[in-house]
Amino acid sequence: EAQVTQNPRYLITVTGKKLTVTCSQNMNHEYMSWYRQDPGLGLRQIYYSMNVEVTDKGDVPEGYKVSRKEKRNFPLILESPSPNQTSLYFCASSLGVKGAGELFFGEGSRLTVL
Amino acid sequence: GESVGLHLPTLSVQEGDNSIINCAYSNSASDYFIWYKQESGKGPQFIIDIRSNMDKRQGQRVTVLLNKTVKHLSLQIAATQPGDSAVYFCAEKPPIPLMEYGNKLVFGAGTILRVKS
Repeated sequence: EAQVTQNPRYLITVTGKKLTVTCSQNMNHEYMSWYRQDPGLGLRQIYYSMNVEVTDKGDVPEGYKVSRKEKRNFPLILESPSPNQTSLYFCASSLGVKGAGELFFGEGSRLTVL
Repeated sequence: GESVGLHLPTLSVQEGDNSIINCAYSNSASDYFIWYKQESGKGPQFIIDIRSNMDKRQGQRVTVLLNKTVKHLSLQIAATQPGDSAVYFCAEKPPIPLMEYGNKLVFGAGTILRVKS
């Protein structure tokens, strides 16, 4: 089954404790992206990647890092989480990199930073 | 379920009626538009898309209308069912600047659709 898989789905952590949210897709998509979703604000892009070893900042990259060592995986790293990073995070992938294309989303990861 | 709907516009419809969800987009040069559906506790799912060279596109029970003059997008759902209850997002794809690439979509805040049985 074609899917985007995120882990963990739920996480409660404390300020400053490094964490990683993993994302994996099995569709051989070149493009992957991370979004955060906050009440009333819609989806805002954090980082994206057009292919292996190619990543770039989205609209709200501060406090986050990503890596793309393999085509299928695109982890989101919070080196020193803060309470304002409490949010619902979505990983997405799509086939196209130059043009428009349908984004496939994971099920989401609910992060709470105390 | 996940709370993403605080302060979002809400549309309540009776089961069996038609629903119309509206969206105003921001960039007059955007050339591609998508509607997503997000059920409680799940990620957004693709419903239907439309390119800027079209003004209407139909799918199964859904129709998207694009009015570029007023930068307006609408999603029409025929014979709305309880399973249609969700948050609906429109997304636009602005033009890609020269020498840049990407599949950047800009999402609206969403509209809650509630279906009454």
